[in-house]
Amino acid sequence: GAVVSQHPSWVICKSGTSVKIECRSLDFQATTMFWYRQFPKQSLMLMATSNEGSKATYEQGVEKDKFLINHASLTLSTLTVTSAHPEDSSFYICSASGRAETQYFGPGTRLLVL
Amino acid sequence: AQRVTQPEKLLSVFKGAPVELKCNYSYSGSPELFWYVQYSRQRLQLLLRHISRESIKGFTADLNKGETSFHLKKPFAQEEDSAMYYCALRADRGSTLGRLYFGRGTQLTVWP
Repeated sequence: GAVVSQHPSWVICKSGTSVKIECRSLDFQATTMFWYRQFPKQSLMLMATSNEGSKATYEQGVEKDKFLINHASLTLSTLTVTSAHPEDSSFYICSASGRAETQYFGPGTRLLVL
Repeated sequence: AQRVTQPEKLLSVFKGAPVELKCNYSYSGSPELFWYVQYSRQRLQLLLRHISRESIKGFTADLNKGETSFHLKKPFAQEEDSAMYYCALRADRGSTLGRLYFGRGTQLTVWP
């Protein structure tokens, strides 16, 4: 089946630094990738949608300069949290969809900003 | 506006008992409905989708357009069904084409 990986699985960083999270579709070409944020015991909140080769579409309230998304190829999208602060600590999940349009989810990346 | 409502945050049943996880939605177009499941310490995975009309792990869900519901049912719950269940709606048009709208999730616990 379709597999989506994320790297790293967890990261701890100092306040003010930038963190990059990778999302890869391992066995299919993902025309669209989605980035979500999940707070403890809460649902997934869509942050942005990215299509390969074009700019990401951000949800209302999500700062595009804060959360930089790049979808450079059909198998890789990256989310960079710039100048991270403790309030950015969260669980970030990506999903990818190909022609079948079913979204396959990555395992998530836990970010802790000190 | 599109909205997915899962009224129960927590649901507990005993093994062998029937279980129903409720999901209601509001959407002006023709939505596609999904159930996703997240087992402890695992990624979110697709359980079933309404257009497939299939039974997965004993679970079924029927789309009721009149009641705008997509409840998930299983006649005999098993301990391994304990997980977080999310109902999701996919938009079929416009700028939101393809994106999923998730309910808040229902944590199902099946006691032995």
